[in-house]
Amino acid sequence: EAGVTQSPTHLIKTRGQQATLRCSPISGHTSVYWYQQALGLGLQFLLWYDEGEERNRGNFPPRFSGRQFPNYSSELNVNALELEDSALYLCASSLAKRVRGQPQHFGDGTRLSIL
Amino acid sequence: AQRVTQPEKLLSVFKGAPVELKCNYSYSGSPELFWYVQYSRQRLQLLLRHISRESIKGFTADLNKGETSFHLKKPFAQEEDSAMYYCALDIQGAQKLVFGQGTRLTINP
Repeated sequence: EAGVTQSPTHLIKTRGQQATLRCSPISGHTSVYWYQQALGLGLQFLLWYDEGEERNRGNFPPRFSGRQFPNYSSELNVNALELEDSALYLCASSLAKRVRGQPQHFGDGTRLSIL
Repeated sequence: AQRVTQPEKLLSVFKGAPVELKCNYSYSGSPELFWYVQYSRQRLQLLLRHISRESIKGFTADLNKGETSFHLKKPFAQEEDSAMYYCALDIQGAQKLVFGQGTRLTINP
């Protein structure tokens, strides 16, 4: 079974640009989650998508947005990039309407570097 | 407040010695907790979930609601246990995980 896949592996941008990160969930999973792992801040919840809709978002500004496609893959878009957006962005997936105690499965992440 | 605290950033023990990685949580609801592990150059992967009360790779973790803890234990450490360990709290209804800062475990030969 293929795991969660993310692309690109690395992304280098400059301040003010936009970044698009992509995620394909495990087959059969319809929920996709995005987390940011910035240096010194640990893993922070960003967004949750399920059935094509944004269901929950963490404490991040609106320039962090995304979408989920009919095939359940997802994009994370970060507009007006700032230096502090430099981080590893992790995508996770789970079965729909996840029962508590059912885990999220993570991808390898996209490392976003802002110059 | 929803918070997970892993008080040790670094933990070093000798091979064959017992290991305990501490995790404390703050949550007003009924807690559901996980331990995730990240080995060198690998992705974050699930190690344990409290709801299944299983033992994986010799590790166990017991939820103590009185002490709001979910410590990870192994009686005899092995070199391949060296990794980054994260404790995570599942927030009811929000479908998000709140992670601790992680503990880097090093097993010395």
